[in-house]
Formats: sequence, structure tokens, C-alpha cells
Amino acid sequence: NAGVMQNPRHLVRRRGQEARLRCSPMKGHSHVYWYRQLPEEGLKFMVYLQKENIIDESGMPKERFSAEFPKEGPSILRIQQVVRGDSAAYFCASSQDRGRGTQYFGPGTRLTVL
Amino acid sequence: GENVEQHPSTLSVQEGDSAVIKCTYSDSASNYFPWYKQELGKRPQLIIDIRSNVGEKKDQRIAVTLNKTAKHFSLHITETQPEDSAVYFCAASINGEGFKTIFGAGTRLFVKA
Repeated sequence: NAGVMQNPRHLVRRRGQEARLRCSPMKGHSHVYWYRQLPEEGLKFMVYLQKENIIDESGMPKERFSAEFPKEGPSILRIQQVVRGDSAAYFCASSQDRGRGTQYFGPGTRLTVL
Repeated sequence: GENVEQHPSTLSVQEGDSAVIKCTYSDSASNYFPWYKQELGKRPQLIIDIRSNVGEKKDQRIAVTLNKTAKHFSLHITETQPEDSAVYFCAASINGEGFKTIFGAGTRLFVKA
């Protein structure tokens, strides 16, 4: 009965490189959410996805950031040409189908941009 | 869109005392209010939640109250222990509308032994 899985747990990138963060939802969950958390701050919503669909990306920066949740495999948050300001903890959460909206969080990926 | 405000940002209590964290929300359509606890370097973990059809819910030392008219909800922790020290986040969402959840800014709770 595995919970939400995220990898890698820690990721170091140099400015200009690409970062790929992966999230596998809990078994039976088809809704995935990505949040960003800066040190000493709260959780900022980025994007909400269902399988093969982006439902709400209103919290995601218009440039360099993209997310997907393919039919097979984990959800991926991709950050191109990373900058120092992208350094943060990125949490993924998942929930069951419509009607059961409780979100369960993964352990997070801590991205450091040098 | 929904906006959730949380107070206080920092709370320090003596072990054994009670702690109360308050949140307000703006969207009257919100109907689900979870609370999460986040220890340093760890993931947010759900500790209790309440839906809009009830006014209060209790689980051992933790209770949550909801006032839909005033659009505010509160977390109450009684008989606090040092292990309760963490950051607590309230949140509000509208079930059935994509489950978009808006979080408060968090309350850092210190329980002094």
C-alpha cells in the first residue's frame, strides 16, 4: 500500500540545465497536483492533472515550466533552463476520483540550482 | 478565486497548554477544509479534515470547528506535547470542481517543554 512516490528526493542543477521531477500517485488515485514550497513559506499550487489532461495550470509560470501525466508512467514536472530562483521543494499530491478530494503528499523533491 | 488567510504565523505555547490556529476563506462555495502538519524537512501530512455539512470534528487531542456563515475555521490542539511542534497548514477547496485546494501560509507552532 505504497503512498505517493517522488524522485529524485534531491536534485542539483546548474543554471541553464533542465530539471525533471517525477511523481507516482497512490494506487487508485487519478488526480495529481504539483506544489512549490520556498524555504519558510507555504505551499503554492502550480498545476492539477488527470491522466493525459492538464485540468488547471493557473499556478504555473508561463515560461520554462511544463507538466504532464501520461497514460502510462508517472507525472512529470519539467523545468527548462533553470535559474537560482527555481530552488525550492516541489511536492506532488494525489487524490482519488471525483467526490473524494483529500490530497496525500509525496516526500518532495528538493531542487537546488547552483 | 479562493483566498485563505491563516493566523497566527507563529505560535509558542507551554507543554500541556492548548493551541488554536484560525483560518478564514473567501469563496462561499468551498466545502472541504483539511489541515496538514509539516515537520521540518518532511512532507505535509493530513491530520484532520472537515466538510461543510458539520460544524465540529474531534480526533483525540485535535479538533476542528467550522463557521460557514463567518467563513472561518479553526484547529484546536489540547494538552500540547513537544512532538506537536511543526508547521500547520489549513486549506479550503470545492469538491467536485477539480479539487483545487488553496492553502494558508502556515503557522509555526513551538511547544516548549
